[in-house]
Amino acid sequence: GEDVEQSLFLSVREGDSSVINCTYTDSSSTYLYWYKQEPGAGLQLLTYIFSNMDMKQDQRLTVLLNKKDKHLSLRIADTQTGDSAIYFCAEVYPGGFKTIFGAGTRLFVKA
Amino acid sequence: DTGVSQDPRHKITKRGQNVTFRCDPISEHNRLYWYRQTLGQGPEFLTYFQNEAQLEKSRLLSDRFSAERPKGSFSTLEIQRTEQGDSAMYLCASSFSSTFVEQFFGPGTRLTVL
Repeated sequence: GEDVEQSLFLSVREGDSSVINCTYTDSSSTYLYWYKQEPGAGLQLLTYIFSNMDMKQDQRLTVLLNKKDKHLSLRIADTQTGDSAIYFCAEVYPGGFKTIFGAGTRLFVKA
Repeated sequence: DTGVSQDPRHKITKRGQNVTFRCDPISEHNRLYWYRQTLGQGPEFLTYFQNEAQLEKSRLLSDRFSAERPKGSFSTLEIQRTEQGDSAMYLCASSFSSTFVEQFFGPGTRLTVL
């Protein structure tokens, strides 16, 4: 079936690293996204990883993909209060149009 | 502003009324997507257009829902005989066909059915 699962909440202190986890179900997914949603704002693509990659680093963001376990994680280094938002994991099916989102992880950053 | 725009941003209607939402994608994007997002959930895929052709519809899209993209540019999503369960944020996204498909999302239309 189609399902992307994420833990609902994460709370960290400013300056610490945050790790948001996600599991997905479809092994034929071509790539996986991390989107960020701030209150009153649209979804913003943070980063993505192709399904044939294990890791991708982009400034403070590190994405790890474990294809065997269908597990994806997003690590945010030196988390700032401005990183407080909802983070969505999503998988994209072959063809590049049907995208399945998780329910989102709410990240709270304490000053 | 050259992003995806949606109109209206908010709509309050009574149960049983029809509503129509509009999405204007980024001008050079040939793909357009509609999603629905309820409180505490991620966006749920509803339908997808490539140019003017509607190529995929989710089973979430009941007979009361219809989407069009007549000239391959803007799109409309109509909900007939609205029900309270239709209350949600309706999101539109667009993308350009390429190997990597980044979808750019609009701000959404929040529908409240009383």
